[in-house]
Amino acid sequence: KQEVTQIPAALSVPEGENLVLNCSFTDSAIYNLQWFRQDPGKGLTSLLLIQSSQREQTSGRLNASLDKSSGRSTLYIAASQPGDSATYLCAVRTGANNLFFGTGTRLTVIP
Amino acid sequence: GAVVSQHPSWVICKSGTSVKIECRSLDFQATTMFWYRQFPKQSLMLMATSNEGSKATYEQGVEKDKFLINHASLTLSTLTVTSAHPEDSSFYICSASYSTGSYEQYFGPGTRLTVT
Repeated sequence: KQEVTQIPAALSVPEGENLVLNCSFTDSAIYNLQWFRQDPGKGLTSLLLIQSSQREQTSGRLNASLDKSSGRSTLYIAASQPGDSATYLCAVRTGANNLFFGTGTRLTVIP
Repeated sequence: GAVVSQHPSWVICKSGTSVKIECRSLDFQATTMFWYRQFPKQSLMLMATSNEGSKATYEQGVEKDKFLINHASLTLSTLTVTSAHPEDSSFYICSASYSTGSYEQYFGPGTRLTVT
């Protein structure tokens, strides 16, 4: 069964700093990988989706990379802002209906 | 596009009662809907997958007689927590997808259930 791990579990950084969140998965036979943001008590907001054939995706200050063979993905956030404070979840899709979520990284950006 | 809503956003009920949560795809027809549960500071765990007009497929360890799922139309799925107990208190999130190459799921805002 696919297992998805995110490190670190929590991270605090000063405003303006660049940061990297890590996601690893045990089975490299994935369809795609997706990064989500979740604010406290709220649902999920999709940030980036990387197909298995892609190496990276960018959206604004966010850049996600995928190394399928090693089972790793990173989410890079440039010039962090207090509004970026949230929990970030990565999820890998192994089939049409199979989406496995990581444990999340709780990010706090200190003004 | 691809907006999913849930109702209610939060609910408090007494132990032993049943609670129904609705999940709607507002601007697309969802061939498949999913129900997840999230405990505090934990990730999402898939409870069940449902296709319109057919019985839901439950994940191992999820009691189908306790968590009744109905997917009566291409835009509506309901989750009924029957005879709720305090340990059922959780955040329930639904998602919906339509058949595309990416099979992307679009998530609802979640429902906070508290059983007293």
